Amino acid sequence: NAGVMQNPRHLVRRRGQEARLRCSPMKGHSHVYWYRQLPEEGLKFMVYLQKENIIDESGMPKERFSAEFPKEGPSILRIQQVVRGDSAAYFCASSVLHRGPENSNQPQHFGDGTRLSIL
Amino acid sequence: AQSVTQPDIHITVSEGASLELRCNYSYGATPYLFWYVQSPGQGLQLLLKYFSGDTLVQGIKGFEAEFKRSQSSFNLRKPSVHWSDAAEYFCAVDYGNKLVFGAGTILRVKS
Repeated sequence: NAGVMQNPRHLVRRRGQEARLRCSPMKGHSHVYWYRQLPEEGLKFMVYLQKENIIDESGMPKERFSAEFPKEGPSILRIQQVVRGDSAAYFCASSVLHRGPENSNQPQHFGDGTRLSIL
Repeated sequence: AQSVTQPDIHITVSEGASLELRCNYSYGATPYLFWYVQSPGQGLQLLLKYFSGDTLVQGIKGFEAEFKRSQSSFNLRKPSVHWSDAAEYFCAVDYGNKLVFGAGTILRVKS
C-alpha cells in the first residue's frame, strides 16, 4: 500500500527557470495539501486542493506559484522564474476526506518531500 | 491568531533518560493535535494524534502525549530515550483546511 509519492526527490534549477513538483496521494485519498519547509524552520501551509478544485490557497505566494490537482494524474506545484529564496523542501500530504467531527480519525499523511535548490 | 509554539529549539538527553518536548497552541475550540517526527532528509512520520476523549494518547515508538486544555498544551513524552530517537519533532494543530506547525525541536541523544 504505497504512501504519498513525491518526485523528484531532489531538483536543481537555475534562477529564472521553472520548477515542477509532483505529488501522487495515497490510494483512495482525494485531498492534497502542499507545505514548504525553509531551512531551519517548520512547515508552512501553502495550498489545499481537491480534485480539480483549489479549496484554500491562503499560504501561496501571490506571484509565480501555482498548484493544480487534475481529474487524472498527480497534483503539481509549479514555480515559475525561480529565485534563490525558493530553495526549500516542499512536502505534499494527503487525506481521505476533509477532517471534521464525523471523520476525525483521518490525519494527513506526508510524502518524503522534494528538495529544491536554486543555483 | 493561529499559532503553535515549541519553546525548545534543541534538547539533549542521555540515552535511557526520560524526555518531554513542550508544545503550546492557540485555538478557541477543541483542537485536533498531532506530533510528527522527521529524520534528516526524510518526510514526516505521524507519532500520535489527539482528536477527543482520553487526554493521554499513546503513539508509536513508545511515545505518549497529554492534552491539557487549561494550559493549551500538548507535550510529548517518552520514559526512556533510545539513540534512534534523535530527530526533529514537530507539534501541529489542525485549523480546518491546514495544519499549523511549530518550529520544531531537535532532539540529540548522547550515549
